[in-house]
Amino acid sequence: NAGVTQTPKFQVLKTGQSMTLQCAQDMNHNSMYWYRQDPGMGLRLIYYSASEGTTDKGEVPNGYNVSRLNKREFSLRLESAAPSQTSVYFCASRRGWRGETQYFGPGTRLLVL
Amino acid sequence: AQTVTQSQPEMSVQEAETVTLSCTYDTSESDYYLFWYKQPPSRQMILVIRQEAYKQQNATENRFSVNFQKAAKSFSLKISDSQLGDAAMYFCAYSNMEYGNKLVFGAGTILRVKS
Repeated sequence: NAGVTQTPKFQVLKTGQSMTLQCAQDMNHNSMYWYRQDPGMGLRLIYYSASEGTTDKGEVPNGYNVSRLNKREFSLRLESAAPSQTSVYFCASRRGWRGETQYFGPGTRLLVL
Repeated sequence: AQTVTQSQPEMSVQEAETVTLSCTYDTSESDYYLFWYKQPPSRQMILVIRQEAYKQQNATENRFSVNFQKAAKSFSLKISDSQLGDAAMYFCAYSNMEYGNKLVFGAGTILRVKS
């Protein structure tokens, strides 16, 4: 099993450009999550999908959109990148709901100039 | 809203010694889960240990154990016989039983291990 995979690993964007971060899991998990990690702030939830066909906003959703393409894939889109979106982005997945462990991808480092 | 606080931005420990990382949280819920994740320089988030709030017994995983004080809302991580490979950022996280079971993270503690 590859677990949770993310592409790309690193990306540089100019302000105003758009891009999509891809995430896939092969563990047959129901729930998927997108977080961002900024220095000194830990991880903050951007969006999540509790099950296939549903998506909900997290703590910091502004400037982002998501798509739960199928049970395996959950993408994060930046429509018009801003320097404030420079961060490391993590995708995670979980099999069920009751306190089960979330498993994380390796992260995508995004730099917006 | 739930919050998680890690009051130690950085800690150091001598190899083979024991170190304790602190975590406090704020919640009005009685049923929830707590986690410690390790993030080495590779940035990969790795689960270290998990505690269910309704269990009084403290969780242990080999050299890692927790001191869970529910009334005090405290969840500290003890690392025994520290190894160089333990050097990493450690995050405490909270998850309640609400829809989606979202994780709320603390700001993290950098652990340095001296040889």
